[in-house]
Amino acid sequence: EAQVTQNPRYLITVTGKKLTVTCSQNMNHEYMSWYRQDPGLGLRQIYYSMNVEVTDKGDVPEGYKVSRKEKRNFPLILESPSPNQTSLYFCASSTSSGSFYEQYFGPGTRLTVT
Amino acid sequence: AQSVTQLGSHVSVSEGALVLLRCNYSSSVPPYLFWYVQYPNQGLQLLLKYTSAATLVKGINGFEAEFKKSETSFHLTKPSAHMSDAAEYFCAVSAGTSYDKVIFGPGTSLSVIP
Repeated sequence: EAQVTQNPRYLITVTGKKLTVTCSQNMNHEYMSWYRQDPGLGLRQIYYSMNVEVTDKGDVPEGYKVSRKEKRNFPLILESPSPNQTSLYFCASSTSSGSFYEQYFGPGTRLTVT
Repeated sequence: AQSVTQLGSHVSVSEGALVLLRCNYSSSVPPYLFWYVQYPNQGLQLLLKYTSAATLVKGINGFEAEFKKSETSFHLTKPSAHMSDAAEYFCAVSAGTSYDKVIFGPGTSLSVIP
């Protein structure tokens, strides 16, 4: 089954404790992206990757890191989480670019930073 | 630059009634337009997209949207609402180029009243 998986689905952590949210897709997609969803703001892009070893900042990259060492994986790293990073996070993948191709979304990771 | 507005953060309709969710966009180039749906506790999935072909676009689950350039609108409609249509709906716009981002609107939550 074609899918995007994220782990963990739920995470409660404390300020400053490094964490990683994993994202994996089995569709051989070149394009992957991370979004955060906040009430009234819709989805805002954090980082995206056009291919292996090619990443770039989205609209809200501060406080986040990513890497793309393999085509299927695109982990999101919060090295020193803060309460303002409490949000619902989605990973997405697409054939070439989400700009004109359908994006396939993971189920989301709900992060709470206390 | 592109932007999206969705009029009404929450819309309620009766089961069997017309569904109309409004989306207006701003784009300096011919846009690509998308409607995504998010069911509770799930990721987003594509309902339909406009890519400069037919102005009336049909999507899944009986939804359709009409691109109106003169009104810069891309409203989503469904003739008869079902209980299963209750979800969050996001309109999105892009310029359709490889390195362009997709800009999501703030979303409209649809409730269907029995």
